[in-house]
Amino acid sequence: GAGVSQSPSNKVTEKGKDVELRCDPISGHTALYWYRQSLGQGLEFLIYFQGNSAPDKSGLPSDRFSAERTGGSVSTLTIQRTQQEDSAVYLCASSLDSGMTNEKLFFGSGTQLSVL
Amino acid sequence: AQSVAQPEDQVNVAEGNPLTVKCTYSVSGNPYLFWYVQYPNRGLQFLLKYITGDNLVKGSYGFEAEFNKSQTSFHLKKPSALVSDSALYFCAVRDRGKAAGNKLTFGGGTRVLVKP
Repeated sequence: GAGVSQSPSNKVTEKGKDVELRCDPISGHTALYWYRQSLGQGLEFLIYFQGNSAPDKSGLPSDRFSAERTGGSVSTLTIQRTQQEDSAVYLCASSLDSGMTNEKLFFGSGTQLSVL
Repeated sequence: AQSVAQPEDQVNVAEGNPLTVKCTYSVSGNPYLFWYVQYPNRGLQFLLKYITGDNLVKGSYGFEAEFNKSQTSFHLKKPSALVSDSALYFCAVRDRGKAAGNKLTFGGGTRVLVKP
């Protein structure tokens, strides 16, 4: 596609349920990021995939959060046993960045997660 | 560890007046620096970046930013603000000294309100 695609755009779930958020990056982009943005707040880094390197998971807030990137393309962020504090907009971004360059990030429109 | 500080949560300015959004950073090596903007109900968009060379970087929509190594700052500026510049602005840094796998770290964001 022309841009970074995220689905669903909105997700309402009950506390304790598991959710999966999907990101389809721009074709050919080697780097993929997940960030979280709480209402009116900044961007909280979650996880970073770069080519075939081991992902940087240093931003995942708890072991309830995990992410994978299959075939170097589509990524899924999974939140298990959701809590109300997980409510936020989850943003995905991709870039051509090889890690040794400085390409700009292209962001998706995000998934608004609401945990009731 | 790398970090970014945006000391102002909100900046108010009258249309036609100069706009400045402050950003300071901390990295172990030399930085790549970026500004992104988030307009209401829209995704994050790249504005400009500093890589090397001229300390004054020009970007989209008439914005520019000045890299000051001694002050570790990268303030965003626009000589004459428009009402349409009202948005959430994010500064970001990446340590150029790192090998592949180094992530982009964002500041907490500054909300700009331009009044007519």
